Amino acid sequence: KQEVTQIPAALSVPEGENLVLNCSFTDSAIYNLQWFRQDPGKGLTSLLLIQSSQREQTSGRLNASLDKSSGRSTLYIAASQPGDSATYLCAVDGGSQGNLIFGKGTKLSVKP
Amino acid sequence: AAGVIQSPRHLIKEKRETATLKCYPIPRHDTVYWYQQGPGQDPQFLISFYEKMQSDKGSIPDRFSAQQFSDYHSELNMSSLELGDSALYFCASSLISEWTGGGRQYFGPGTRLTVT
Repeated sequence: KQEVTQIPAALSVPEGENLVLNCSFTDSAIYNLQWFRQDPGKGLTSLLLIQSSQREQTSGRLNASLDKSSGRSTLYIAASQPGDSATYLCAVDGGSQGNLIFGKGTKLSVKP
Repeated sequence: AAGVIQSPRHLIKEKRETATLKCYPIPRHDTVYWYQQGPGQDPQFLISFYEKMQSDKGSIPDRFSAQQFSDYHSELNMSSLELGDSALYFCASSLISEWTGGGRQYFGPGTRLTVT
């Protein structure tokens, strides 16, 4: 059974720092991996999707990498801003029907 | 661009009542997923539909049922509500690809169900 783990559970950094969020999964047979952002009590915003054949994806200050063989992904956030404060969720799509299995998230706080 | 629409956004019900949540996927998406997110929890997959047929089932209680209609909108029906059913219910849609699986899933804003 696929399990997704995110480390750390919470992270507090000063504004301007570069930071890395980690995600690991137990079964490397995935179709893709998505990173989401969730503000308190709000919906899920898809940030980046990496197909299983890809190594990384970039969007603005965000860069996500995928090492499928070792079951790991990282989300790199450059020059963090207070507006980046949110919970970041990693999810893997392990089946042909596409239902996602989520990690428990990393709660990020960027202090001015 | 059109997004996933969910209604209602908030719903308050009493124990043992029934609730119906609606989801309107992005036009031309062929797959709808339902997820449940309890307080402080990660989203859990409930059920999905591909081309109006149930395609996969997760941790959905027997008290819940769902269907996808000819216009591709989906409804999640919840009966005999319990306090533990209080959660955010998300609908997501995507376009299935033979080669890349489920593809990017686009989530709706969610329905917050409170059972009192």
